[in-house]
Amino acid sequence: QVQLQESGPGLVKPSETLSLTCSVSGGSIENYYWSWIRQPPGKGLEWTAYIYYSGTPTNYNPSLKSRATISVDKSKNQFSLRLSSVTAADTAVYYCARILLGSGPSFDDWGQGILVTVSS
Amino acid sequence: QSALTQPPSASGSPGQSVTISCTGTSSDIGAYTHVCWYQQHPGKAPKLIIYAVNKRPSGVPDRFSGSKSGNTASLTVSGLQAEDEADYYCSSHAGMNNWGIFGGGTKLTVL
Repeated sequence: QVQLQESGPGLVKPSETLSLTCSVSGGSIENYYWSWIRQPPGKGLEWTAYIYYSGTPTNYNPSLKSRATISVDKSKNQFSLRLSSVTAADTAVYYCARILLGSGPSFDDWGQGILVTVSS
Repeated sequence: QSALTQPPSASGSPGQSVTISCTGTSSDIGAYTHVCWYQQHPGKAPKLIIYAVNKRPSGVPDRFSGSKSGNTASLTVSGLQAEDEADYYCSSHAGMNNWGIFGGGTKLTVL
């Protein structure tokens, strides 16, 4: 079991870009897929994107309409999410998570989550 | 509106069993064995309790079990305990163009 920790600004202005980083400790980022999931306040979960430790492949939730970019920095054992042109609808707790190998969207380790509010 | 349909609430008394359903389509639950269930306590991150329809990660009590029939998956919690009170979410694979989808969540109350 690894530990994941999200970091980034808690407040982003509308139309700007949200940037989050997930730091992985207690194990290597190698040989796994990594993902971001978000949860608007009081609502359900939404998968946003995943990336393999090598940088490819990646995959995105079609609802994000090309606004999202996921990347990885193996040297730092980190991966990141950028979401451009944010609106109030992007306000959510953002979780980073590890994907259980060979099991589709099965997230077996999660960060504690970071609340990002989009507001002017 | 969530891609998978769950009842908003469920309840049971300590020691009883409760089953939560998760209904999808022939393009998601009906097509794949990648069905998962997550438990989420208030203010906490979700925890994987069932993957691949009916497999439990290490450390998850065998009181939690999963199944699937057609386009519907189910989570059964047997021998309900107070600490089982939480929100439960199902998820499924739905093809590479919509890789991971979730249900809207079910709030389980232990009476």
